[in-house]
Amino acid sequence: EIVMTQSPATLSVSPGERATLSCRASQSVSSNLAWYQQKPGQAPRLLIYGASTRATGIPARFSGSGSGTEFTLTISSLQSEDFAVYYCQQYNNWPRWTFGQGTKVEIK
Amino acid sequence: QVQLVQSGAEVKKPGASVKVSCKASGYTFTSYGISWVRQAPGQGLEWMGWISAYNGNTNYAQKLQGRVTMTTDTSTSTAYMELRSLRSDDTAVYYCAREHEGGFDDYWGQGTLVTVSS
Repeated sequence: EIVMTQSPATLSVSPGERATLSCRASQSVSSNLAWYQQKPGQAPRLLIYGASTRATGIPARFSGSGSGTEFTLTISSLQSEDFAVYYCQQYNNWPRWTFGQGTKVEIK
Repeated sequence: QVQLVQSGAEVKKPGASVKVSCKASGYTFTSYGISWVRQAPGQGLEWMGWISAYNGNTNYAQKLQGRVTMTTDTSTSTAYMELRSLRSDDTAVYYCAREHEGGFDDYWGQGTLVTVSS
């Protein structure tokens, strides 16, 4: 099973600042990597797929990069509605997908 | 618009079974798969498995093999997830999600809380 490791576990950021979240795979997942945002009491929402493609309706301040084993989600200027937990997921290792443990972005 | 509407919360005793439904609308049901993901209280997301709504093929997470069964009813565009021999650590919110052909989940249900308690 591919293990996805996210860092940091918690990121404290002030509104308007840039946030950089990392996700590392235990083996290459090519570009088959998605990012999801989850707010308390809500279902996850797809942000990024294919490591760098924004899903429909996702603001341009969210960007994804990386391939192979190292990936990054960047939020260029944090808005109040961006404080949430973010998960990465690999969908390369058919037939078993795996999630990272999540990074909580909190207000500094 | 694409919607996935799940059944309501359940309370079960250890050893019992639970069956959660997920009714899809707004798209051609048989053109996509359905993933099931669960989230224990205060924890992260755990991928449980996938079913093709086209032909019923399934893939399950290794740790759930033998206890979980995923099915679909194409006549009602509904997916089901049954989990047997429930334990306290199965207490979680269970989500269904539409799996895009690429493998990621682009639309999610609202979640169903399953509580296992004696």
